[in-house]
Amino acid sequence: SAVISQKPSRDICQRGTSLTIQCQVDSQVTMMFWYRQQPGQSLTLIATANQGSEATYESGFVIDKFPISRPNLTFSTLTVSNMSPEDSSIYLCSVEKKGTGDTEAFFGQGTRLTVV
Amino acid sequence: GQNIDQPTEMTATEGAIVQINCTYQTSGFNGLFWYQQHAGEAPTFLSYNVLDGLEEKGRFSSFLSRSKGYSYLLLKELQMKDSASYLCAVRDSNYQLIWGAGTKLIIKP
Repeated sequence: SAVISQKPSRDICQRGTSLTIQCQVDSQVTMMFWYRQQPGQSLTLIATANQGSEATYESGFVIDKFPISRPNLTFSTLTVSNMSPEDSSIYLCSVEKKGTGDTEAFFGQGTRLTVV
Repeated sequence: GQNIDQPTEMTATEGAIVQINCTYQTSGFNGLFWYQQHAGEAPTFLSYNVLDGLEEKGRFSSFLSRSKGYSYLLLKELQMKDSASYLCAVRDSNYQLIWGAGTKLIIKP
């Protein structure tokens, strides 16, 4: 299993500013995933972060808007840049590790972001 | 495109049984997951199916039919604490997880 500490748990930010979300994992993992979850909607993958290389972004997400750092195998940050109210959402980091059956996804507690 | 469908919301009575369905169309299939997500919390793993049939785990069971692109999560002896959203997710041919929007389950006394 994996335990992920994510912070901040919530924040209210002014439009035009940036927020950096941090995730710390209790064990080394190759890939870390960053998701966005808007109310009543599915988890949308923003990017996959590998240690020592640039993150891989999904369609509709760009590095300038969501820069990611992955300095080592247990830590990653996601920055939401130049925020607008449309960025209000829950942001989740995730890792995948062997669980009771197949490889499972484990999540941080999530960051509830409100942009005003 | 890839698509996972599940009902938006369901209501059931404490002590009863409820079945939450999930249908999927994905590029390849490498397993189906069910996760539980309480309001304001992160999703937590419930079950995993990769072969056709029923997997039972206590009060929860999950069924898979790969030929039909269909799964269900069965919850028995419902308790108030089972009120949550239930997310269906499929791992595709690229081993990426594709998530459904979740089914909000409301349990009434």
